[in-house]
Amino acid sequence: QSALTQPPSASGSPGQSVTISCAGTSSDVGAYNYVSWHQQHPGKAPKLMIYEVSKRPSGVPDRFSGSKSGNTASLTVSGLQPEDEADYYCSSYAVGNTFVFGTGTKVTVL
Amino acid sequence: EAQLVESGGGLVQPGGSLRLSCAASGVRFSNSWMSWVRQTPGEGLEWLGNIRPDGGATYYVDSVKGRFTISRNNANNSLYLQLNSLRVDDTAVYYCARDFGFGWDYWGQGALVTVYS
Repeated sequence: QSALTQPPSASGSPGQSVTISCAGTSSDVGAYNYVSWHQQHPGKAPKLMIYEVSKRPSGVPDRFSGSKSGNTASLTVSGLQPEDEADYYCSSYAVGNTFVFGTGTKVTVL
Repeated sequence: EAQLVESGGGLVQPGGSLRLSCAASGVRFSNSWMSWVRQTPGEGLEWLGNIRPDGGATYYVDSVKGRFTISRNNANNSLYLQLNSLRVDDTAVYYCARDFGFGWDYWGQGALVTVYS
């Protein structure tokens, strides 16, 4: 049950796109299409942005998109806006009826 | 408006116990899987476990099995986390959250648990 691997940081200018990777194994990301992404601003609770790899909950802008290939999932934020500056965490359902989170990525809007 | 509110956090010595509560409103609590997630200071998120809507099954991450217990009372829309044999590295903000699409769509504001020696 090791944490999924994310890059510590990512950045982009307003209007640009940024993509965050989430590397797992054949026991979690690669085994199920049950990857989710959460956004967390400082001092706040996480917010669900993507679930089941690529689905967006109601109210989440379509600038946020998710995908998966093999054991790696990705979150892309297109048309970066200042309010997108936050920490982002992936998570995956895993063998044994458990969940594992990623290490987190701090996105900076330059 | 859906709301989850945790309570019961505080200071405890190593080896001690604490019980966290999570009061739910505005959600179909009795139909929902519910989870506990923690976040250590300045660090990432860790899923601790979840409980089936009827309370008949629970699942835990290996690091807390045998020490933490999740329970619920659907009659009063409440979720609980019993923390036993606490260690310094259990110091964290503990969140309750509703399972949705193998993610979590509603989160509480968090309860801080500090284990000090």
